[in-house]
Amino acid sequence: DQQVKQNSPSLSVQEGRISILNCDYTNSMFDYFLWYKKYPAEGPTFLISISSIKDKNEDGRFTVFLNKSAKHLSLHIVPSQPGDSAVYFCAARNYTSGTYKYIFGTGTRLKVLA
Amino acid sequence: DVKVTQSSRYLVKRTGEKVFLECVQDMDHENMFWYRQDPGLGLRLIYFSYDVKMKEKGDIPEGYSVSREKKERFSLILESASTNQTSMYLCASRPGTRYSNQPQHFGDGTRLSIL
Repeated sequence: DQQVKQNSPSLSVQEGRISILNCDYTNSMFDYFLWYKKYPAEGPTFLISISSIKDKNEDGRFTVFLNKSAKHLSLHIVPSQPGDSAVYFCAARNYTSGTYKYIFGTGTRLKVLA
Repeated sequence: DVKVTQSSRYLVKRTGEKVFLECVQDMDHENMFWYRQDPGLGLRLIYFSYDVKMKEKGDIPEGYSVSREKKERFSLILESASTNQTSMYLCASRPGTRYSNQPQHFGDGTRLSIL
């Protein structure tokens, strides 16, 4: 049972426009959400996060929105740049067995067209 | 900067072999994790460890074991490799739970092929 879902496997956006990546989850016990970015042949790198007690967090061109009632979060990238082309994973965290456990989505491949 | 180093970028092994994947982190992190990444399935947690000599099963532990004898090193062991274990393996680490909002840091991955 996939607790964290990214229903769009890929997304293409024109340079300069907004990229919106979506993520849905099912477990209301998740208390923290993160976005990671992954280039080919590299490990995922942390991008931005949000606590479940907030509905928005912004860091430069990146903003994450959380809608707890809908169990939905989204990542907005404005303006999109060609260097943003990568696979984006959302992850949700819960506390288990004395530590934090992270559940990842299946990823969305973003392509920013120059 | 946190450095998570996986010993091999690419590895080719034969069915039935015992395979060791090594991961070392240099930030004195208490928590370490092993994931595998497969197309369409994202990152799935195999095992994690919240302290030395401690280990917990993740979502897909079957066919794997782990070892954490030292804080900085977390090893993933494929007891008898099978072709369905061909995958990208990713190691991650993070500080202990008192640093609650610190993210995981990942290594660059080991692409393992089982023939």
